[in-house]
Amino acid sequence: KQEVTQIPAALSVPEGENLVLNCSFTDSAIYNLQWFRQDPGKGLTSLLLIQSSQREQTSGRLNASLDKSSGRSTLYIAASQPGDSATYLCAVTDNYGQNFVFGPGTRLSVLP
Amino acid sequence: SAVISQKPSRDICQRGTSLTIQCQVDSQVTMMFWYRQQPGQSLTLIATANQGSEATYESGFVIDKFPISRPNLTFSTLTVSNMSPEDSSIYLCSVGQGGPETQYFGPGTRLLVL
Repeated sequence: KQEVTQIPAALSVPEGENLVLNCSFTDSAIYNLQWFRQDPGKGLTSLLLIQSSQREQTSGRLNASLDKSSGRSTLYIAASQPGDSATYLCAVTDNYGQNFVFGPGTRLSVLP
Repeated sequence: SAVISQKPSRDICQRGTSLTIQCQVDSQVTMMFWYRQQPGQSLTLIATANQGSEATYESGFVIDKFPISRPNLTFSTLTVSNMSPEDSSIYLCSVGQGGPETQYFGPGTRLLVL
């Protein structure tokens, strides 16, 4: 059974810092991995999607990498801003692209 | 925790028809969300469905195409109306009590429109 973990559970940094969020999954037979952002009381916003054949994706200040064989992904946020404060979740899908398994999330606070 | 079921788990439909997807939760929850993931695309929020109020749709999604019902705190439906092949997606519901630590996700409904 696929399990997804995220480290750290919470992170508080001053504005301007670069930071790394970690995601691990136990079964490497995935279709894709996604990173999401969630603000309180809101639905998920997809940040980056990495197909199982890809190693990284970039969008603006965000960069996500995927090492499928070791079951790890990292989300790198450059030059963090207070507006980045949210919970970040990673999720993998099974080999059929269905059956999402989500990690517990990392709660990020960026202090002005 | 909350256990969520979705019906159907998958379906193949003809162009121009409509399909209603059901989302059932084993406990009362305030917030429900509907998402879709088209092939090769990210999971995208369609709408937020809170009991007792009209669903709130995200940009690019309209009620005529994706009518949502939320008759009580344990159940919601999403209808995909007048389907076209572009509607072929996985549709996912999730529930929450307002915080990310209490978000739960259904298994998804895989829809193929011919």
